[in-house]
Amino acid sequence: RKEVEQDPGPFNVPEGATVAFNCTYSNSASQSFFWYRQDCRKEPKLLMSVYSSGNEDGRFTAQLNRASQYISLLIRDSKLSDSATYLCAVSSYTGTASKLTFGTGTRLQVTL
Amino acid sequence: EPEVTQTPSHQVTQMGQEVILRCVPISNHLYFYWYRQILGQKVEFLVSFYNNEISEKSEIFDDQFSVERPDGSNFTLKIRSTKLEDSAMYFCASSGIQGFGNSPLHFGNGTRLTVT
Repeated sequence: RKEVEQDPGPFNVPEGATVAFNCTYSNSASQSFFWYRQDCRKEPKLLMSVYSSGNEDGRFTAQLNRASQYISLLIRDSKLSDSATYLCAVSSYTGTASKLTFGTGTRLQVTL
Repeated sequence: EPEVTQTPSHQVTQMGQEVILRCVPISNHLYFYWYRQILGQKVEFLVSFYNNEISEKSEIFDDQFSVERPDGSNFTLKIRSTKLEDSAMYFCASSGIQGFGNSPLHFGNGTRLTVT
């Protein structure tokens, strides 16, 4: 099983739609969880951290289910500018260091 | 807002040549990383570095790769004898704390390495 798994998409949605992305992770000892956004040929940029209680930042809502080892991202009222690849990232401590492991990313294309 | 800076933005080299990719992490950060992304593939962990030594490295980070923090500000990745399959975007990242917590990785804007 892959460490971090995402549906690669692409998700093609009209402007204003609500879209949800899912991510699963295999290491039950994972500590911290994040969603990053990556535009074509650019660096990943932090979108939001993900907490067990769920958290919201404007149109974006992230949820974590530790029991199911599952993370989600909901985007409401999609904008054209939301078109990008969304990367799920999970941190784990290996005994010597922490590292962040990324999923393959889910591509979102928002259209008129 | 402080940034991680990387140079050059694009490096073209011939197979078998040595390359050095340079990074200046955020000044008060203590943990440094290199990741790479082959075109169309995922962002992959290469190596982490703390207290002037490698903390962890992936299977990709073989003997052809090395990292160094030659002074108080730069963090470099050297590939000794480049192969065609080393062509990728290389991202440097830094973090202020162990385990990330609410302070996750800050990435530089990457160096695109093309091996011909």
